[in-house]
Amino acid sequence: EVQLVESGGGSVQPGGSLRLSCSASGFSFSSSTMHWVRQAPGKGLEYVSGISGNGGNTYYADSVKDRFTMSRDNSKKTLYLQMSSLRGDDTAVYHCVKHQYGDSVGSGFDYWGQGTLVTVSS
Amino acid sequence: QTVVTQEPSFSVSPGGTVTLTCGLSSGSVSTVYYPSWYQQTPGQTPRTLIYSTNVRSSGVPDRFSGSILGDKAALTITGAQADDESDYYCVLYMGSGIRVFGGGTKLTVV
Repeated sequence: EVQLVESGGGSVQPGGSLRLSCSASGFSFSSSTMHWVRQAPGKGLEYVSGISGNGGNTYYADSVKDRFTMSRDNSKKTLYLQMSSLRGDDTAVYHCVKHQYGDSVGSGFDYWGQGTLVTVSS
Repeated sequence: QTVVTQEPSFSVSPGGTVTLTCGLSSGSVSTVYYPSWYQQTPGQTPRTLIYSTNVRSSGVPDRFSGSILGDKAALTITGAQADDESDYYCVLYMGSGIRVFGGGTKLTVV
């Protein structure tokens, strides 16, 4: 059974930093592109970032580029999202999401973690 | 920055057919954008319906179908049921690993 469990969320002041983690199990983690997708309270889904299976390629939405860094440790089957220079509009539930088929461009997302809430407020 | 557009809301009668669309603020959607569709009910994580334009995800009933209609991607639901009442999101692949969600369509079955 695929499981994705996020942690590390919490409250932080504007300009602060936070690191999210996602512990994965039940699939070949090192073979799978992974993503972070966020959802602000009462709002729609927003793509944040992605990383290839071997960690060699990372992808970021314009809204987080140069502020967020995504990484992975395949030996620990763990995904990370280092967030810095946080702003109020970064407040959201952050979901760790598994790519459907390896690193295939054409596939979508399949499994989602329940998410971890990040609140940016003074 | 290119915006992915969806109808904010739509309604359909039980048993009816509805087509939700996914477009671009500039340009046309084609298969090279690998459109995918997700269904989200309140308090739940999204469920994958369609990927790569028209491929149904495992376990998705065949009354959900994906296509390209004109210059947009489309999700068609035939024989709408009460539990189809959800938010529906499309995602387009923009190249260089980047994906963008549409704003979502709130579907009401009444």
